[in-house]
Amino acid sequence: SQTIHQWPATLVQPVGSPLSLECTVEGTSNPNLYWYRQAAGRGLQLLFYSVGIGQISSEVPQNLSASRPQDRQFILSSKKLLLSDSGFYLCAWSVPDTQYFGPGTRLTVL
Amino acid sequence: GESVGLHLPTLSVQEGDNSIINCAYSNSASDYFIWYKQESGKGPQFIIDIRSNMDKRQGQRVTVLLNKTVKHLSLQIAATQPGDSAVYFCAENNSSASKIIFGSGTRLSIRP
Repeated sequence: SQTIHQWPATLVQPVGSPLSLECTVEGTSNPNLYWYRQAAGRGLQLLFYSVGIGQISSEVPQNLSASRPQDRQFILSSKKLLLSDSGFYLCAWSVPDTQYFGPGTRLTVL
Repeated sequence: GESVGLHLPTLSVQEGDNSIINCAYSNSASDYFIWYKQESGKGPQFIIDIRSNMDKRQGQRVTVLLNKTVKHLSLQIAATQPGDSAVYFCAENNSSASKIIFGSGTRLSIRP
């Protein structure tokens, strides 16, 4: 069966520090991968998606970037965090059209 | 989309009653629809899906209804339990797209 992992589960970072969140998927090949952000009590905002290694589509201009160095690995990064980057970050995968979500990373920028 | 910045609407239901959560979708080309449940502090979980060639699909205690004429989707939960407390999101997709479009979500609150 397929599983999706995200780490860390929680993270507290100072403003201006770098960020790296990792997502890995097991039990499937060539999935579409997604990064979402969710503010407290709000809906899901799609940040990036990838249909293959090295292929990244950005949905909104922002302080973040994404990379997909391997088929089942998706990384969300920032060089300098802003206060507004705080939120709940969710990774998801799909094959072919239903998305399945990871457990999420709660990021607090102070 | 734009709805991600809005506070979630809340539906309050008496324990044991049936819950009906509604969703309007935007794209008439969408042919696949999904309901997700998100408990506090967790990622959304798949509940049930339906394709556009159907108008009703039933799962365990849940039923999804699709009305393509008015682009409306609903999730019915029978005999609502405290464990049903969560935020529920609808989502739409079409077979030519790489991404799913999520609705703004509804918070389901259970009264004892």
